[in-house]
Amino acid sequence: DIQMTQSPSSLSASVGDRVTFTCRASQSISNYLNWYQQKPGKAPKLLISAASSLQSGVPSRLSGSGSGTDFTLTISSLQPEDFATYYCQQSYSAPFTFGPGTKVHIK
Amino acid sequence: EVQLVQSGAVVKKPGESLKISCTDSGFSFTTYWIAWVRQMPGKGLELMGIIYPGDSDTRYSPSFEGQVTISADKSISTAYLQWSSLKASDTAIYYCASLPISMFGVGFDYWGQGTLVTVSS
Repeated sequence: DIQMTQSPSSLSASVGDRVTFTCRASQSISNYLNWYQQKPGKAPKLLISAASSLQSGVPSRLSGSGSGTDFTLTISSLQPEDFATYYCQQSYSAPFTFGPGTKVHIK
Repeated sequence: EVQLVQSGAVVKKPGESLKISCTDSGFSFTTYWIAWVRQMPGKGLELMGIIYPGDSDTRYSPSFEGQVTISADKSISTAYLQWSSLKASDTAIYYCASLPISMFGVGFDYWGQGTLVTVSS
C-alpha cells in the first residue's frame, strides 16, 4: 500500500496569514492527489483533486501543487472559515489511502 | 447531483451484529463507486472499501478485509456496511462517499452525513 504522510500535524496561524502544508507519498503517485477539509462534527469536503484542480465553489485563496511524491496545499490569506483539519489522499493505487491530517488552529 | 443519506446513530453491545446504510437520493447510483470511510474518535480518515453498485464489484482495504461486509442494492440505490460481531474498537463515525466511476485520479466528491456507531457493554 502507498503510505501518505503530512506535515506539520498541526499549526497555529492568524487570520490573514499565508499557510502552507505538505503531503508526501511513499512512492510516486503522479498528480493523483486530493485534498479534503473537515470541520468538527462535519463530513469531509473535497477541495482539490488531481493535485491542483479546485472543486467548484472552493475559494481561489486555496491552491494545490506538486507531483510525484511531494505536494503542497497553500491558503494565501487564512480566513475564519479555514480553521479545520486538512487531509490529503492518493487516488493512484487502491486502497486509496489518506494522510493523517494537518489541523489548523487559531493563534 | 448525488445526495447520500445515511442511517441514524446506533448503540450496540459487543458481539452484536449491525448493518448501516447509505442511500443516494439525488442521482444515478450506478454511475459511481460508493466508499465507506471510518473515523475513530479524535482520529483521521480510513478507507474501508469501495463498491460499484452496478455489478457489486467490491474492493476492501487490507485492514478491513474479513472484518466487515460491504454490499449494495441498486434497485433501491442503497449501499450497506455490515458487521457480524461488533467489538468496542468498532466505535467510530462511518461515512459513505461517492467516487466517480473512473476511480483513479479523482476524489470522493459527495459525502453522507456520517453514522455514529457506539459499541459498549
